[in-house]
Amino acid sequence: QVLLVQSGAEVKEPGASVKVSCKASGFTFTTYYMHWLRQAPGQGLEWMGLINPSGTNTWYTQKFQGRVTMTRDASTSTVYMELSSLRFEDTAMYYCARDNSATSGRSYWWFDPWGQGTLVTVSS
Amino acid sequence: SSELTQDPAVSVALGQTVRITCQGDSLRNYYASWYQQKPGQAPVLVIYGKDNRPSGIPDRFSGSSSGNTASLTITGAQAEDEADYYCNSRDSSSIQWVFGGGTKLTVL
Repeated sequence: QVLLVQSGAEVKEPGASVKVSCKASGFTFTTYYMHWLRQAPGQGLEWMGLINPSGTNTWYTQKFQGRVTMTRDASTSTVYMELSSLRFEDTAMYYCARDNSATSGRSYWWFDPWGQGTLVTVSS
Repeated sequence: SSELTQDPAVSVALGQTVRITCQGDSLRNYYASWYQQKPGQAPVLVIYGKDNRPSGIPDRFSGSSSGNTASLTITGAQAEDEADYYCNSRDSSSIQWVFGGGTKLTVL
């Protein structure tokens, strides 16, 4: 069974950092790109970034450049997302998701599966 | 970066057909993927590519694409289809992915 299991909820003060983990099972972890996404309360989904299978390359959306770091550990099939200088507006559910892609006339990508989500609350 | 536009809310009578649309320039180059999200749950993939359904997704869900518009159609909507639906596509000019704002589907 292809599965992504994320770490538990976190409560952080403004200015602190949080590191969320996502452990993969049921597939060959070292051959897949992995995404991180988030969803603020009552809001839509937001793509944060991507890490390549070897962990040597990452791509982040401009909004999080300089504050987010994505890493992965092949020995434990785990991918990590660290967000620093936390602000109240970083309060959100954070998800990891596996990248999938194909081409049939046009290229296309899809996120499947998703982790169960990790709630990060920034509060003083 | 690209943007994807969805209607914020759509309603459908039980058993009827509903189409949820997603517009954006990137959809001229790439197919969209669609996600269903129910309250308190993680999103679930329902359609990807031209019209592909993951295992376990009912065949009343289908996808299509024309020009800069992708559509998710539910033929014979059921009460359990009431949810938020999000489209997603890769950005045309950079390694980024973009979501539509989501459509809240109400089944009457």
